[in-house]
Amino acid sequence: GAVVSQHPSRVICKSGTSVKIECRSLDFQATTMFWYRQFPKQSLMLMATSNEGSKATYEQGVEKDKFLINHASLTLSTLTVTSAHPEDSSFYICSASSQGTASSYNEQFFGPGTRLTVL
Amino acid sequence: AQTVTQSQPEMSVQEAETVTLSCTYDTSENNYYLFWYKQPPSRQMILVIRQEAYKQQNATENRFSVNFQKAAKSFSLKISDSQLGDTAMYFCAFMKLNEKLTFGTGTRLTIIP
Repeated sequence: GAVVSQHPSRVICKSGTSVKIECRSLDFQATTMFWYRQFPKQSLMLMATSNEGSKATYEQGVEKDKFLINHASLTLSTLTVTSAHPEDSSFYICSASSQGTASSYNEQFFGPGTRLTVL
Repeated sequence: AQTVTQSQPEMSVQEAETVTLSCTYDTSENNYYLFWYKQPPSRQMILVIRQEAYKQQNATENRFSVNFQKAAKSFSLKISDSQLGDTAMYFCAFMKLNEKLTFGTGTRLTIIP
C-alpha cells in the first residue's frame, strides 16, 4: 500500500508557541489530505480536509485561525498549531488520498501520527 | 449527518477463538462504503476490510470477514482463529463516495494467550 509519513512523531512545546506538523505522501500524489485529532482512548475526529492548491475545509467547531493547514504540493500538507495551550495536547493523525474517478473509491492512507504535548 | 455506533467498548477472547465486533450506522444514502480499521498500540491506522454498499456479497480478507446487513444498517466484523497480533482498537467507519470518513467510538479487543 501507499506510504504516508508524519514529522515529528513527538513534540513537546511551551504554552504560547506554535508547532508545525508535516504530512507527506511518499510514493503517490495526494490530491486530498485529511487531519484528525485523537484524544486518549477515543476515536478519530476529523478536523479539516485540504485539497492541493486550495483552502482547507474545516469541520464545525474547529478554529481555522488556531489550526492552520497548508497543502501547497501534491505530496505535502502541514498543520500548524498556533499559540498552543495545554488543551491542544493530543495525538494528531493525517491521511492522504489520490484523485480517482467520480464513481470509484479513493482509499485513505494514514500517517503514523504525531503526539503533541503542550506544557 | 451519518452516525456510526459501536456498542462494545471492550472485548476479550482466547487465542485461536472466533470473535465478532458489532457496528451499526445511520444514513439515508444508498451508495456508500463501510470499513473496519485496526489501531494497534503503535497507533498506526490499518485498513482491515472494506465493503461497498451496492455489493450483496460480504467482504472477506483471510481471517477477517464481515456480515453486512444493509436493511438493518449493520456491519459486524468476524475475526477467526484470533492471534495475539489482533490485539488492538477496532474502528468501524462510514463514507459516502469520496467524502469524509465517519468513525465509530471503537472497540478495544484483547486476545488472551
